[in-house]
Amino acid sequence: DIQLTQSPSSLSASVGDRVTITCRASHSISDYLNWYQQKPEKAPKLLIYATSNLQSGVPSRFSGSGSGTDFTLTISSLQPEDFATYYCQQSYSTPYSFGQGTKLEIK
Amino acid sequence: QVQLVQSGVEVKKPGASVKVSCKASGYTFTTFGISWVRQAPGQGLEWIGWISTYNGDTSYVQKLQGRVTMTTDTSTSTAYMELRSLRSDDTAVYYCARDHLYPKPNFDYWGQGSLVTVSS
Repeated sequence: DIQLTQSPSSLSASVGDRVTITCRASHSISDYLNWYQQKPEKAPKLLIYATSNLQSGVPSRFSGSGSGTDFTLTISSLQPEDFATYYCQQSYSTPYSFGQGTKLEIK
Repeated sequence: QVQLVQSGVEVKKPGASVKVSCKASGYTFTTFGISWVRQAPGQGLEWIGWISTYNGDTSYVQKLQGRVTMTTDTSTSTAYMELRSLRSDDTAVYYCARDHLYPKPNFDYWGQGSLVTVSS
């Protein structure tokens, strides 16, 4: 099974900051990596699919990159609505797996 | 618009079974699979399995093999997830999600979640 490790597990930042979250896979997963945002008591929302493709309706301040085992999610200029928990997820092979999450909090 | 609407809160005793439904609308049901993901209180996301709405093929996470069954009713565009022999650590919010295969698999639409509480 493929394990995903996100870092950091939590992060404090201010509105306007540039933020990067990393996701490392235990085996190469090519570009089969997705990112989700989850707010409290809400279902996750797809942000980025296949490593770097922005889901329709998602602001362009979100971007993704990487390949193989190392991936990043970048938010170029944090907005108040971006404070949430972020998860990476691999779809290279079943069982599909998620990272443990990165909680982004207001500084 | 695409919507996945799930059944409501369930409270079950240990050893019982639960069946959660997920009714899809706004697209052709049989062109996308359905995955189920759960989230224990205060914890992260855990993929528990997938079903093809086209032919009923399934794939389950090994830890739940033998206790979980996923099915669909194409006449009502509804997917079901049944979990048997419930334990306290099955307490979680259970989500269904549409499995979009292109260009690489991803979960592009999610249900609102169904809270299942297992308690004596």
